[in-house]
Amino acid sequence: QKEVEQNSGPLSVPEGAIASLNCTYSDRGSQSFFWYRQYSGKSPELIMFIYSNGDKEDGRFTAQLNKASQYVSLLIRDSQPSDSATYLCAVNIERSGGFKTIFGAGTRLFVKA
Amino acid sequence: EADIYQTPRYLVIGTGKKITLECSQTMGHDKMYWYQQDPGMELHLIHYSYGVNSTEKGDLSSESTVSRIRTEHFPLTLESARPSHTSQYLCASRGEIRGYTFGSGTRLTVV
Repeated sequence: QKEVEQNSGPLSVPEGAIASLNCTYSDRGSQSFFWYRQYSGKSPELIMFIYSNGDKEDGRFTAQLNKASQYVSLLIRDSQPSDSATYLCAVNIERSGGFKTIFGAGTRLFVKA
Repeated sequence: EADIYQTPRYLVIGTGKKITLECSQTMGHDKMYWYQQDPGMELHLIHYSYGVNSTEKGDLSSESTVSRIRTEHFPLTLESARPSHTSQYLCASRGEIRGYTFGSGTRLTVV
């Protein structure tokens, strides 16, 4: 079992819809959680981070964390074609000497105009 | 503006050549990383550093080496490039609280 799992997709949603991206992790000691967006041929860029259970909203993006169920999700409201990208989930796991960041393989999102 | 810079952006080089991929950051981050990523594939950690004179190998075996003589600079060197090294190489740094900041990457092709 991978430490961080994401559905590879592609996830296809119509413009204006809500896109829901999910991520599960295996280590209950995970401390902090990140979502990165990566356009084709580009580098990942951080869009959201969350540390506490519940929801965190930033514009059209909402990150949701449920530590009991060990999942973190990203909701994109009013999806736009420009949101089409691969979304990477990353989890900081405590290891000896500090934290280690584990990246998921990413979910490809297509927003149809 | 604080940022992280990688050069060159693209590099085509012959087999057997020695190359160094440059990475510099202006954010004062102690933690720096090198990832390898093939198109449409996962990120693979190949090297990391938690500070000056600290370097460690990552999860993916790599024939490259790194050095960290200055906080802001984390170059990656391939002593003898091979076609199997063809890939995109991403440098990143991280502060204590926030996530990673990635450079624009170097797309390496070994012919």
